[in-house]
Amino acid sequence: QSALTQPPSASGSPGQSVTISCTGTSSDVGGYNYVSWYQQHPGKAPKLMIYEVSKRPSGVPDRFSGSKSGNTASLTVSGLQAEDEADYYCSSYADSTYVFGTGTKVTVL
Amino acid sequence: QVQLVESGGGLVKPGGCLRLSCAASGFTFSDHYMAWVRQAPGKGLEWVSRLSNSGSSTYFADSVKGRFTISRDNAKNSLYLQMNSLRPDDTAVYYCVKMGDYRFESWGQGTLVTVSS
Repeated sequence: QSALTQPPSASGSPGQSVTISCTGTSSDVGGYNYVSWYQQHPGKAPKLMIYEVSKRPSGVPDRFSGSKSGNTASLTVSGLQAEDEADYYCSSYADSTYVFGTGTKVTVL
Repeated sequence: QVQLVESGGGLVKPGGCLRLSCAASGFTFSDHYMAWVRQAPGKGLEWVSRLSNSGSSTYFADSVKGRFTISRDNAKNSLYLQMNSLRPDDTAVYYCVKMGDYRFESWGQGTLVTVSS
């Protein structure tokens, strides 16, 4: 149950795009299409943004998109807005358990 | 709307025990798997445990296996986490989470557990 690997930080100017990677193994990310992404603002609970690699819950802006290739999943935030500044975590199902990523702090410059 | 309210956190000495509760409302509790996820101060998220909608199937992270027990009372719309043999590295905010299919769908605001002498 090792954590999935994410870059510690990412940044972009308003209106630009930022992409966050999430690297696991064939036992988690690569083995299932059950990758999800969570946004967490300081002092707040996490919020589901993407599930099953690329699906968006109702109410999540279509600026948020997800994809996967092999053992690496990605979250892209297009048209960055000030309110997108937050920590982002990926998660994957892994044979009856779940594993989270190390987290990425997104800064809007 | 979905509401998940955790309680039972606090300060406990190493080796001690604590029972967390989560009161759920706004959805059909008995239809959903539930989970606990924790976050140590300044650190990332860690999945702790999940429980089937009937309560018959339980799953734990290796870090808590044998020390923590998860249970639910569907008549009371409540989820529980019994934590025994607590260690300083169990210090964290513990979130109660309503699960969807293979995702952590809705989160409570969390309750802080501090393990320290």
